[in-house]
Amino acid sequence: DTGVSQNPRHKITKRGQNVTFRCDPISEHNRLYWYRQTLGQGPEFLTYFQNEAQLEKSRLLSDRFSAERPKGSFSTLEIQRTEQGDSAMYLCARASGAHNEQFFGPGTRLTVL
Amino acid sequence: QKEVEQNSGPLSVPEGAIASLNCTYSDRGSQSFFWYRQYSGKSPELIMSIYSNGDKEDGRFTAQLNKASQYVSLLIRDSQPSDSATYLCAVKGQNTGNQFYFGTGTSLTVIP
Repeated sequence: DTGVSQNPRHKITKRGQNVTFRCDPISEHNRLYWYRQTLGQGPEFLTYFQNEAQLEKSRLLSDRFSAERPKGSFSTLEIQRTEQGDSAMYLCARASGAHNEQFFGPGTRLTVL
Repeated sequence: QKEVEQNSGPLSVPEGAIASLNCTYSDRGSQSFFWYRQYSGKSPELIMSIYSNGDKEDGRFTAQLNKASQYVSLLIRDSQPSDSATYLCAVKGQNTGNQFYFGTGTSLTVIP
């Protein structure tokens, strides 16, 4: 158990719909990452939170993607007007230690039809 | 040039052998290096981290770092069928804030 839960575990949606994913790290971890992973690729950085502040965001992240972390606890990742190219595993990780060692949740697998 | 490069494999080794996985990175100032194991359909699992030149051992796993050559490797001794997975190398660059870069992974199969 990495201390990170994600919901839903699977999401199937139609192109053009909006989707929202949730990540719940154990409460004392203030650093949180979101990644996207497609088949045959490594995780790709999307965004980084320290407490409730979104400190970094990938320049690859289009305006259709937004993430929040109200009160520095759980985090949500929303994708608006989904496209087939958004189909991927979306991973949340809590970071720990001086070197930001990351521990991943189980991920949310998104399929856009 | 990609920030982190790995041989995609697949790499096959017999049970009990040593598996050697390699990774190179482009940012010479990188300070933090990680190996993750990922089973099919699952999320990555941290197995090793290394920050200084040389070797770091943890059970059957040894991570090796050579910053001058911008090279990090993972050795798995006495390989077991349960080690069959994709191994991801991750690097935190010097001037990339808190971003981590992952390689595409090397697929390892341990043959009983």
